[in-house]
Amino acid sequence: DAGVTQSPTHLIKTRGQQVTLRCSPKSGHDTVSWYQQALGQGPQFIFQYYEEEERQRGNFPDRFSGHQFPNYSSELNVNALLLGDSALYLCASSLVSSYNEQFFGPGTRLTVL
Amino acid sequence: LAKTTQPISMDSYEGQEVNITCSHNNIATNDYITWYQQFPSQGPRFIIQGYKTKVTNEVASLFIPADRKSSTLSLPRVSLSDTAVYYCLVGDSSSNTGKLIFGQGTTLQVKP
Repeated sequence: DAGVTQSPTHLIKTRGQQVTLRCSPKSGHDTVSWYQQALGQGPQFIFQYYEEEERQRGNFPDRFSGHQFPNYSSELNVNALLLGDSALYLCASSLVSSYNEQFFGPGTRLTVL
Repeated sequence: LAKTTQPISMDSYEGQEVNITCSHNNIATNDYITWYQQFPSQGPRFIIQGYKTKVTNEVASLFIPADRKSSTLSLPRVSLSDTAVYYCLVGDSSSNTGKLIFGQGTTLQVKP
């Protein structure tokens, strides 16, 4: 049973560019959440998708957007990249009925130069 | 969502029992207490969750006093591989709000 997978593993972009990160949830899970983790900090919630709609959003600007597909996989898009967007981006999947137990992927390390 | 307070760091030695305490004075009636573990360059991993009294699984035990204003994660006989950051979270699993609120966590360093 595959867990949560994310791609790519690492990514280097320059300021002003756009990036798309991808996530496949654990088998049987219907909900995908995205988190941003800066070095030395705990993960910060970006948003969550269920039934292809954004259900909940954290304190992130509109430059951060996402999508969930019918197969429950998800994408995170970030436009107009800033140096401060450099972080580990984590995807987590869960069942909508038990969000406290989320399964995290290994993350995508984004570096903005 | 209730705020949590836990020590920034702890040191221990292999074979010892480690107890990490988390304070959550404003915990609500419907809130559960959940602990996650995170190794460097990996995503957090769910360890244990409880509502009251004691919960035990193959990895850890969670002790919750009657007033539920604090909780203690207990790791029996730690090894070097238990070196990680441990996060205490409090939230209402039934509300379907969807988001986990992580603090800075407790960095546990296990020494040989």
